[in-house]
Amino acid sequence: GAVVSQHPSWVICKSGTSVKIECRSLDFQATTMFWYRQFPKQSLMLMATSNEGSKATYEQGVEKDKFLINHASLTLSTLTVTSAHPEDSSFYICSAIPMLANEKLFFGSGTQLSVL
Amino acid sequence: SQQGEEDPQALSIQEGENATMNCSYKTSINNLQWYRQNSGRGLVHLILIRSNEREKHSGRLRVTLDTSKKSSSLLITASRAADTASYFCAPHSGGYQKVTFGIGTKLQVIP
Repeated sequence: GAVVSQHPSWVICKSGTSVKIECRSLDFQATTMFWYRQFPKQSLMLMATSNEGSKATYEQGVEKDKFLINHASLTLSTLTVTSAHPEDSSFYICSAIPMLANEKLFFGSGTQLSVL
Repeated sequence: SQQGEEDPQALSIQEGENATMNCSYKTSINNLQWYRQNSGRGLVHLILIRSNEREKHSGRLRVTLDTSKKSSSLLITASRAADTASYFCAPHSGGYQKVTFGIGTKLQVIP
């Protein structure tokens, strides 16, 4: 099956620093990737749709200057949490839709971010 | 996009029993997909059923779809402790449409 690699799996950072999370599709190309965040015991909340070669589309209430998304190639999207604060601590998950089989969504294994 | 609503929110069964969870949605779909999430992990795709299909099987999984009632069900037969996880349905309009998720059904299989 298709594989999406997400790194890092967990990260601890100081308040005020920026953190970059990578999402790579290893064996397929994806023009569209999605970024979600998930708080403990809650569902996934869609943050934004990442489009290769164009600007990301953010969901209502998600600060685009806070959560920078770059989808520079057909296999890589990055999410940068800028000037992180403790309330940004969460589980972040990416997913990707294969270009040639755009029905299924494949997920990365997630990144647990803890901001001290 | 549209979001599926899973029911029940929590389900606890003994190992070997069957587990049934349901999903309802509101608008027409191209397909509906079920995912599993183990605690602290990403989602794993389980099965996809298209709008012109009524039932689909994959191993111990059986999915039904009733487009007239806008509902789907996921049956896990002969459950195992390893099936303990949260299960989410995702009604999909097809193409590159965004996918959102409900609260899911948290299944606990007791050994």
